[in-house]
Amino acid sequence: TQLLEQSPQFLSIQEGENLTVYCNSSSVFSSLQWYRQEPGEGPVLLVTVVTGGEVKKLKRLTFQFGDARKDSSLHITAAQPGDTGLYLCAGADSGAGSYQLTFGKGTKLSVIP
Amino acid sequence: GAGVSQSPSNKVTEKGKDVELRCDPISGHTALYWYRQRLGQGLEFLIYFQGNSAPDKSGLPSDRFSAERTGESVSTLTIQRTQQEDSAVYLCATGYEAFFGQGTRLTVV
Repeated sequence: TQLLEQSPQFLSIQEGENLTVYCNSSSVFSSLQWYRQEPGEGPVLLVTVVTGGEVKKLKRLTFQFGDARKDSSLHITAAQPGDTGLYLCAGADSGAGSYQLTFGKGTKLSVIP
Repeated sequence: GAGVSQSPSNKVTEKGKDVELRCDPISGHTALYWYRQRLGQGLEFLIYFQGNSAPDKSGLPSDRFSAERTGESVSTLTIQRTQQEDSAVYLCATGYEAFFGQGTRLTVV
């Protein structure tokens, strides 16, 4: 069983601050996804990273996939209240063609105005 | 449809009753997942369907839980003899990048 650990579990910051959340595993993934979930909604896909060392930017969000494809980070610059939500990472294992996703427990981010 | 559709959006049931939750996938998506999310918690994997392959049922918490899907069609998650601890949001996602529905909020009273 592949496990993804996310840290920190909870994060409360002031508007305008920067933050980084982490997603770590001892397993190698073929790809890794990041999602944001707002209260009462299903998770929404933010980005998929597939290549070791890959960096993707989405406005103020920067996603990095580790060289060994075992870990990933999400950095938010100048956080805004609209960034509040549960951030989930999910690793895909394409072994045997299954593409089954494994989710971490999430980081709950609160950005205080 | 354009997105993953789940029904009902909310379900209140009495302890001991059976419930059936439905997921309409995005057309063409062969992968389909069911997850459970308790209040304020992360996602708990329940079951994974991949086309016509045998589903991965390793996340189902007890034999009261079952799910069906034929090919790339609708999936149903059935919970028999519901218990209060079954209260949660049940989320369905389809496709390799997991596009989620809005979920079904189940409350067992």
